[in-house]
Amino acid sequence: DIQLTQSPFFLSASVGDRVTITCRASQGISIYLAWFQQKPGKAPKLLIYAASTLQSGVPSRFSGSGSGTEFTLTISSLQPEDFATYYCLQLNSYPLTFGGGTKVEIK
Amino acid sequence: EVQLVESGGGLVQPGGSLRLSCAASGFTFTSYGMSWVRQAPGKGLEWVSVISASGDSTYYADSVKGRFTISRGSSKNTLYLQMNSLRAEDTAVYYCAKAYYYGSGTYYDYWGQGTLVTVSS
Repeated sequence: DIQLTQSPFFLSASVGDRVTITCRASQGISIYLAWFQQKPGKAPKLLIYAASTLQSGVPSRFSGSGSGTEFTLTISSLQPEDFATYYCLQLNSYPLTFGGGTKVEIK
Repeated sequence: EVQLVESGGGLVQPGGSLRLSCAASGFTFTSYGMSWVRQAPGKGLEWVSVISASGDSTYYADSVKGRFTISRGSSKNTLYLQMNSLRAEDTAVYYCAKAYYYGSGTYYDYWGQGTLVTVSS
């Protein structure tokens, strides 16, 4: 199974900060990676797919990069509505696996 | 508008069974694969199972293989998850998700609101 290691586990940041979350795969997964945002009590929301493609309707302050085993999600200027937990998901092979999540909280 | 509505969750005793449903609308159900993903209370997301658009192909997480069965009813636009031999560790919110095809990849663009399954005596 492919393991995804997300870091950091927890991130405290201020509105306007640039934030970067990393997801490392235990083996190469090409660009078959997606990023999700989840708020308490809500379903995950797709932000980025194919490692770097922005989902329709998602603000352009979100961006993704990487291929192979290392990926990043960047929020260029953190907004109040961005405080949430973020997950990466590999879709290269079954079983699909998620990263452990990164909780972004207000400093 | 795409809508996915899960139902069928509830309280069940260890060793019991439950069938979850996911009613789909707003898209051609028979053209898209579907997955179930769960989230234990206070924990991260865990993929459970996937079924192809045709229903011919299925995969399961090791944690549920042999106990859970995914299926789809094309005439009713409904996805199912039959859960048998339930354990306390199956307690979670269960989400259904619709596949989205891009290039040679499959991603998940729409998710239901989830249904809570609690396994406890």
